[in-house]
Amino acid sequence: SSELTQDPAVSVALGQTVTITCQGDSLRSYYASWYQQKPGQAPVLVFSGKNNRPSGIPDRFSGSSSGNTASLTITGAQAEDEADYYCNCNSRDSSTNHYVFGTGTKVTVL
Amino acid sequence: EVQLVESGGGLGQPGGSLRLSCAGSGFDFSVYGMNWVRQAPGKGLEWVSFISSSGKTIYYADSVKGRFTVSRDNAKKSLYLQMSGLRDDDTAVYYCARVWLSTSSAFDYWGQGTLVTVSS
Repeated sequence: SSELTQDPAVSVALGQTVTITCQGDSLRSYYASWYQQKPGQAPVLVFSGKNNRPSGIPDRFSGSSSGNTASLTITGAQAEDEADYYCNCNSRDSSTNHYVFGTGTKVTVL
Repeated sequence: EVQLVESGGGLGQPGGSLRLSCAGSGFDFSVYGMNWVRQAPGKGLEWVSFISSSGKTIYYADSVKGRFTVSRDNAKKSLYLQMSGLRDDDTAVYYCARVWLSTSSAFDYWGQGTLVTVSS
């Protein structure tokens, strides 16, 4: 299966740590990338692969993976981190490649 | 500054056609693979199509295969999505997104999107 499953919603107290997970068979073969999307805005890449953070993304965003699960951790969550978060990765079906996105997680900062 | 600007969205008839465009600026467009990603109202992100930097490699999601055609013109720094056989469930904001050269799976820059509404 090429599906990526995420918890629909999580909450975190201001300044605390939250981890969002993404599960799927494709993650056994490919690294995940993570996107933050705020209402009415385009997604923004916040972390990718083994250890790639785009320029301008705070180092409180980090990623990891194990087996069929990828994780995004926000250490010391800020109010501006409240958003929807999506994972994605490559996937391969029979003779063709494609990409797949996770179902998304809404992060609420309390 | 890297910019991606989509255009061409609007109202399409069921069974009809629309052509989306994405203009790139602030980077060497010819070096980057590009994607189309869509988001139905209130729903999550759905990958639609990929085209390599040269245009020689193309992939489609099963949901659009045979109906949508992706292409690019590197001289014009533009990406296109020809949509035909439109269905109600094609209604979405369509984003173009650049593949990050540091990885093969990440999309590092996105346009602001163009809304496609399929309705009679």
